[in-house]
Amino acid sequence: AQSVAQPEDQVNVAEGNPLTVKCTYSVSGNPYLFWYVQYPNRGLQFLLKYITGDNLVKGSYGFEAEFNKSQTSFHLKKPSALVSDSALYFCAVRDVRRGFKTIFGAGTRLFVKA
Amino acid sequence: SAVISQKPSRDICQRGTSLTIQCQVDSQVTMMFWYRQQPGQSLTLIATANQGSEATYESGFVIDKFPISRPNLTFSTLTVSNMSPEDSSIYLCSVPGGQPSSYNEQFFGPGTRLTVL
Repeated sequence: AQSVAQPEDQVNVAEGNPLTVKCTYSVSGNPYLFWYVQYPNRGLQFLLKYITGDNLVKGSYGFEAEFNKSQTSFHLKKPSALVSDSALYFCAVRDVRRGFKTIFGAGTRLFVKA
Repeated sequence: SAVISQKPSRDICQRGTSLTIQCQVDSQVTMMFWYRQQPGQSLTLIATANQGSEATYESGFVIDKFPISRPNLTFSTLTVSNMSPEDSSIYLCSVPGGQPSSYNEQFFGPGTRLTVL
């Protein structure tokens, strides 16, 4: 069965510092991996995805994520955090052999302090 | 990308009543998803709604409780029937992006925040 784990409920970082939001996954086949962000009182927005190819993928708002097959991880990163990055971040995985169903992680709340 | 609107944005309902949530997409899509996001929790897929066929429900969700309509390629409704306080959640409509042969990321509506008293 496919699953996603976000081990941290909350991540605190100072503005200007690098940030990392962790995600590990479990699928039986090749994974499609995604990050979404949810700002207060708004729906989820797509940030970036890994389908195939280069392990480092770049997305919206300066975010990037690195696919690590051996560690089954897909951590979200940003070199310099902004206060406006404060939001709820969801990692998601789809096992392409199981159709279009996407499984979402529990979410990690990011707080960026000025 | 797709632009998705939902109505109502929020509602407070009495237990035992039903609420129908509408989802409108600005482009034609074959597949639409309905999710539930309970307070402080992640998204859980309720069902997948394809135009012209019965919705496919995930484990733990049944048609009698969450009937879905999909009358055309841009619109869907989800009804939460015989509500109880445990149904208090945000309900999200979603559509996939990309070509039908390789749907990848999903686009989400703003959600409907439901509170059941």
